[in-house]
Amino acid sequence: NAGVMQNPRHLVRRRGQEARLRCSPMKGHSHVYWYRQLPEEGLKFMVYLQKENIIDESGMPKERFSAEFPKEGPSILRIQQVVRGDSAAYFCASSPEGLIDTQYFGPGTRLTVL
Amino acid sequence: QQQVKQSPQSLIVQKGGIPIINCAYENTAFDYFPWYQQFPGKGPALLIAIRPDVSEKKEGRFTISFNKSAKQFSLHIMDSQPGDSATYFCAASYTGGFKTIFGAGTRLFVKA
Repeated sequence: NAGVMQNPRHLVRRRGQEARLRCSPMKGHSHVYWYRQLPEEGLKFMVYLQKENIIDESGMPKERFSAEFPKEGPSILRIQQVVRGDSAAYFCASSPEGLIDTQYFGPGTRLTVL
Repeated sequence: QQQVKQSPQSLIVQKGGIPIINCAYENTAFDYFPWYQQFPGKGPALLIAIRPDVSEKKEGRFTISFNKSAKQFSLHIMDSQPGDSATYFCAASYTGGFKTIFGAGTRLFVKA
């Protein structure tokens, strides 16, 4: 059973470009979470999604950031008009139905904004 | 209220030593306390977790101690090995809540 997959692993963007980060949860998992980790810091919750629904986006900046988890395909975290402060590692986690406490993390996408 | 405070920020121990990492929380609604281990360039991996109905949980060389009245919990690593060198995060969440709140992390280095 493959773990949580994220791609790309590294992404470089210039200021003003768009960044798209993809996350494929573990097989059978219907809950997806996105976290952001700044260097030398802990993980900060951004958004929690179930298939086709955003359940909690209280950690997501109100502008430029959006997330989706379509019925088919991976979850996408989209950052429009990136700025240098968006440079961070973005982690996706998934959990199975009935065990939403137990989150399995992907390897992360390291975004660098030039 | 949503914070989880973790200490120390970094820790160096000799092989065989018992590093202890401490965490404190404010929100009494939290009822699930996991610990994650993260190696450089990797995602966090769930190590061990505890709920407030028990005061201690052991899994292999890893032990969580939980003090509900003090709102504190800690991770002990018995007979630590160089391979345990990693960053450790405590976290907290609550039933019906959707977000997990992470501590800032402790960088552990175990000397050979």
